[in-house]
Amino acid sequence: AAGVIQSPRHLIKEKRETATLKCYPIPRHDTVYWYQQGPGQDPQFLISFYEKMQSDKGSIPDRFSAQQFSDYHSELNMSSLELGDSALYFCASSLFILPYYEQYFGPGTRLTVT
Amino acid sequence: QKEVEQNSGPLSVPEGAIASLNCTYSDRVSQSFFWYRQYSGKSPELIMSIYSNGDKEDGRFTAQLNKASQYVSLLIRDSQPSDSATYLCAVCNNAGNMLTFGGGTRLMVKP
Repeated sequence: AAGVIQSPRHLIKEKRETATLKCYPIPRHDTVYWYQQGPGQDPQFLISFYEKMQSDKGSIPDRFSAQQFSDYHSELNMSSLELGDSALYFCASSLFILPYYEQYFGPGTRLTVT
Repeated sequence: QKEVEQNSGPLSVPEGAIASLNCTYSDRVSQSFFWYRQYSGKSPELIMSIYSNGDKEDGRFTAQLNKASQYVSLLIRDSQPSDSATYLCAVCNNAGNMLTFGGGTRLMVKP
């Protein structure tokens, strides 16, 4: 079965640079979620989109923005990168069917800021 | 108090035994509960979802939900060394927009 696709899988950036992470949800899934996972920590919710509209926002820094496009893929844009942004970034997708929002995670993008 | 709590472990069980993982949550109106398995450096993999009080079985896995006690558990029967991983309990908010995780329990199954 098709899974969530994320690109790139690994990214190395320097402080103050910009990064763009991409996510392609499972076909027919209408909702996309972004999570950040630091070393030894839980995934932390950043932001979600349903039918191309932002549906909720978590602990996402103002330096980060995201959107969902007409083909349902999503991009997370990260500017003025800081060392503390080094983490695994996961995208998940689901079908928005109350209350059965089973979220399936992609393989993640490992971001290293030097 | 964290919204979702788990014992971080490690929980060590011998091969073939039953592993019991527990999770408590604070929001009484939560309706959707999930267990994810995560190997080191990999993404969370959904293994069980549960929405109603009682037990739900899928192969070697049984999820149990008690909304009155705000308690979710996962039982793994006939544990295998390949089950060694971190198990994340997750609760979805009622708007369906985000998961809150419980910190994870590291399970070690010894041959």
